[in-house]
Amino acid sequence: QVQLMQSGAEVKKPGASVKVSCKASGYTFTSYFMHWVRQAPGQGLEWMGIINPSGGSTSYAQKFQGRVTMTRDTSTSTVYMELSSLRSEDTAVYYCARSVEMTLHGDYWGQGTLVTVSP
Amino acid sequence: QSVPTQPPSASGTPGQRVTISCSGSSSNIGSNYVYWYQQLPGTAPKLLIYRNNQRPSGVPDRFSGSKSGTSASLAISGLRSEDEADYYCATWDDSLSGPVFGGGTQLTVL
Repeated sequence: QVQLMQSGAEVKKPGASVKVSCKASGYTFTSYFMHWVRQAPGQGLEWMGIINPSGGSTSYAQKFQGRVTMTRDTSTSTVYMELSSLRSEDTAVYYCARSVEMTLHGDYWGQGTLVTVSP
Repeated sequence: QSVPTQPPSASGTPGQRVTISCSGSSSNIGSNYVYWYQQLPGTAPKLLIYRNNQRPSGVPDRFSGSKSGTSASLAISGLRSEDEADYYCATWDDSLSGPVFGGGTQLTVL
């Protein structure tokens, strides 16, 4: 069965970086795109970017350009999302979501990773 | 650009039919597919509707989606208490060259 298993919760200080992982299993890793979506406490969903695990190409939301980096490791079927220069407003649950296309056709989602940014 | 707009809240009684709207623009809903997600408290979003009106396997046919022009709707018939959740529409935005979510609608089953 398809599973997306994300890394555990993180607590970071302002200005630091965080790297969240999403390990895929149960399907051909390179056949699906992977989106990253975040949700601040009590807020809605926000699209951050997408990676194509096949070639590693990425596309980021303008808001995160310069601060986010998405990578993949095909040997372990894992995608990573690194966010730098963290500020308190980055406190959120971060999700990975598999999609057959670049649109938000997220048929499977990870369980979410809470990132807390606090002095 | 115009990010899709949803009513912040909606409500209904068990057995009732409710609809949730998602209003966009020609650069997003008007020219692209719409997707709908259900998010139960404390859980990851779940895909309810894809490509405007298609249901993934396992999603009850009580849920249906439609699109007309620059707006889309999610309808839930035979409302149940377990339908109480947040609902989000999503689509591609040509001007942003990326996907966008609506603001979400909190559905309460009275």
